[in-house]
Amino acid sequence: DAGVTQSPTHLIKTRGQQVTLRCSPKSGHDTVSWYQQALGQGPQFIFQYYEEEERQRGNFPDRFSGHQFPNYSSELNVNALLLGDSALYLCASSLTGGQSSDTQYFGPGTRLTVL
Amino acid sequence: AQSVSQHNHHVILSEAASLELGCNYSYGGTVNLFWYVQYPGQHLQLLLKYFSGDPLVKGIKGFEAEFIKSKFSFNLRKPSVQWSDTAEYFCAVNARSSNTGKLIFGQGTTLQVKP
Repeated sequence: DAGVTQSPTHLIKTRGQQVTLRCSPKSGHDTVSWYQQALGQGPQFIFQYYEEEERQRGNFPDRFSGHQFPNYSSELNVNALLLGDSALYLCASSLTGGQSSDTQYFGPGTRLTVL
Repeated sequence: AQSVSQHNHHVILSEAASLELGCNYSYGGTVNLFWYVQYPGQHLQLLLKYFSGDPLVKGIKGFEAEFIKSKFSFNLRKPSVQWSDTAEYFCAVNARSSNTGKLIFGQGTTLQVKP
């Protein structure tokens, strides 16, 4: 049973650049959520995608955007990178409407470093 | 706004000691509750969850948690810890009324078990 996968594992960018992170959900899941985890902190919700639309958004600026594809995979895009965007970006998948529709399963994350 | 507070930031125990990690949340409605664990170098894994029913829930690896509604608490316990329990532990909640299952995390507790 394939779990949640994310790519790349690590990424180094400079201020002002743009970055795209990718996520494939766990087999059978249709919903993808993105979280930012700063060092020493708990994950913070960025947004969630379901049926190729953004369903809910956390307190993040418009520089953070996303997309969901028909195969349920998802991308997170961050424009005009700031030093403060350095963090571990986590993707979580779940099944909307399923018995455990509120249970999210996490991928290994992408470590983004902005210099 | 919802929030989650984990009282212990760093806990150091010897093997075979008992563990209790505190978690309190702030939300007026009905919630689902979760404990996730992040072992060194690994991704976030679900330890246990509470949706409804028996407020004492059992999870993997001998962990359990008790939901006390009157205290807005969901403390994690283990009677006898092992060196392999060394990890970061996160408490998380989501609002049952939400259709997205957006998770609000605490800041995490680092558990160090000495052999």
